[in-house]
Amino acid sequence: NAGVTQTPKFQVLKTGQSMTLQCAQDMNHNSMYWYRQDPGMGLRLIYYSASEGTTDKGEVPNGYNVSRLNKREFSLRLESAAPSQTSVYFCASSAASATNEKLFFGSGTQLSVL
Amino acid sequence: RKEVEQDPGPFNVPEGATVAFNCTYSNSASQSFFWYRQDCRKEPKLLMSVYSSGNEDGRFTAQLNRASQYISLLIRDSKLSDSATYLCVVPRSGGYQKVTFGTGTKLQVIP
Repeated sequence: NAGVTQTPKFQVLKTGQSMTLQCAQDMNHNSMYWYRQDPGMGLRLIYYSASEGTTDKGEVPNGYNVSRLNKREFSLRLESAAPSQTSVYFCASSAASATNEKLFFGSGTQLSVL
Repeated sequence: RKEVEQDPGPFNVPEGATVAFNCTYSNSASQSFFWYRQDCRKEPKLLMSVYSSGNEDGRFTAQLNRASQYISLLIRDSKLSDSATYLCVVPRSGGYQKVTFGTGTKLQVIP
């Protein structure tokens, strides 16, 4: 059972570089999410996709873009990385966006922007 | 008042002890609540859901006090493997796009 798979696990970027974080789930879930986790702060939602073909901004979308490539895959792109984007990023999915569905997380990507 | 507040800890307890920590929330309209467990440098995993007054699962009990707007997590007979950070999660409304995660309470169970 792979569940939610995200790559890469670690990444170091220089300011201004771009990169894409990949996320895929094999549970046939409709909803997918990208969160960031910073010390002393709770997980914050960057973007989400309630269903295939839709994406919406979360709490902290600035500096990011997303693509729901198909039902399985939801990628997060940093077009011009900034030190403020140094964080741990988690992808998650749920069968539906209602909170009576369980939320499953990927193992995370530790990103450092120098 | 923050939407969700947790004592960051760490709570250092000996094996076999009972430990409890609280999470206060500000949105009185919240109906369901969750406790997630996060091991160091790992992803959060759902521990318990709380939809009414409380929920019990083995050594773990989650309780909800709507009047005082807090939920609690009680762990009995603590094991070394319980060492982790426990996140309180409170939906503001609707689905996961409107969920606030607490900053977590760190528990360290000592041999």
